[in-house]
Amino acid sequence: AQKITQTQPGMFVQEKEAVTLDCTYDTSDPSYGLFWYKQPSSGEMIFLIYQGSYDQQNATEGRYSLNFQKARKSANLVISASQLGDSAMYFCAMREPTTNTGNQFYFGTGTSLTVIP
Amino acid sequence: EPEVTQTPSHQVTQMGQEVILRCVPISNHLYFYWYRQILGQKVEFLVSFYNNEISEKSEIFDDQFSVERPDGSNFTLKIRSTKLEDSAMYFCASTKQEQSNYGYTFGSGTRLTVV
Repeated sequence: AQKITQTQPGMFVQEKEAVTLDCTYDTSDPSYGLFWYKQPSSGEMIFLIYQGSYDQQNATEGRYSLNFQKARKSANLVISASQLGDSAMYFCAMREPTTNTGNQFYFGTGTSLTVIP
Repeated sequence: EPEVTQTPSHQVTQMGQEVILRCVPISNHLYFYWYRQILGQKVEFLVSFYNNEISEKSEIFDDQFSVERPDGSNFTLKIRSTKLEDSAMYFCASTKQEQSNYGYTFGSGTRLTVV
């Protein structure tokens, strides 16, 4: 089973509008972290926001907020007041704790967001 | 804010040649990783490195690949004999702790083009 599922390959949003990028995850571990990264056309991976599985409140970072619905295992990213510079690829990711030191980080396939002027 | 630094940002190489991709992780981080992203596709795990040895590797990380931490600061990925399908963006990442609330800090990537 996929650890992270992003079902929207591409999204369009009007400048200044809000947009929600969907992400669902799969884990049996009670302790995990959820992350969103932005990847502009230049290719670098930019950390946006983090949500811990035990956090009671939804995470917010400026115009980014994470709509965390634990029972549904979803962690949607909401971008408010979209700007042209928000056009990029967005990746949802999850980190699971493990007893070894190997890979714990899983990425979704990404959503390409285009902001229309 | 501390950064993971990768060099070069773009490397073009001929098929069959060896390449070394370099990374300087954040100085107090203990766990190091290489990921790759073929153009337009998802980010794939290659290898993790801890305490001067590989702790996990994926199926992609075959005998053509190797990693090294030669001097306590650099973390390198070597591809011995590049193939066309090795063309991808390669990301180095590091993290301080095993706890799940610590994200990985990614470098800006090296875009490898094999011709």
